[in-house]
Amino acid sequence: DQQVKQNSPSLSVQEGRISILNCDYTNSMFDYFLWYKKYPAEGPTFLISISSIKDKNEDGRFTVFLNKSAKHLSLHIVPSQPGDSAVYFCAASSGYSGSARQLTFGSGTQLTVLP
Amino acid sequence: DAMVIQNPRYQVTQFGKPVTLSCSQTLNHNVMYWYQQKSSQAPKLLFHYYDKDFNNEADTPDNFQSRRPNTSFCFLDIRSPGLGDAAMYLCATSSGEFQETQYFGPGTRLLVL
Repeated sequence: DQQVKQNSPSLSVQEGRISILNCDYTNSMFDYFLWYKKYPAEGPTFLISISSIKDKNEDGRFTVFLNKSAKHLSLHIVPSQPGDSAVYFCAASSGYSGSARQLTFGSGTQLTVLP
Repeated sequence: DAMVIQNPRYQVTQFGKPVTLSCSQTLNHNVMYWYQQKSSQAPKLLFHYYDKDFNNEADTPDNFQSRRPNTSFCFLDIRSPGLGDAAMYLCATSSGEFQETQYFGPGTRLLVL
């Protein structure tokens, strides 16, 4: 029972173009969403997050959009660079202050940015 | 400047030989997590500590144990590694506050011969 799904295992984009990575979730209790980037043989690196009270969060070239009614979020990278080539994991959590929030991860999307 | 440190980065052990993986953090975070990640899969949470309180996931095998002697350090003990335990083991920390982010270490790649 996958509560967080990334349906595209891979995505190829030309350098300079927009990369759009998608993520769907089923648990309506999720209230915090994160994107991590992972290079081979390294741990996931936090990229950007969004609270369920927002529908957009932007940080430089990275923008995350949240559509709660559709239970869908997406990560936009503009412009894409070859160094962005990595596996991108979507993650979601729910909980309250004073408890340890558990992350539920998607299975990841391998982004390849072609020069 | 490292925040979550894992040692060693690569560990080779023999089938059935106990092994300990180490994690330390300089963030003074309340929560420390251990994840197992097999290739092309999502990280799977094994257990976590909130301060000294240990929380085990229901499907984590008894073969996996953890210790947290102080705020900065957390250990993963695999008592009798099997071939199926070969994986990347990730340590993460978080502050325990509302909607906080988890920060991951670089991981330890475990190989079981």
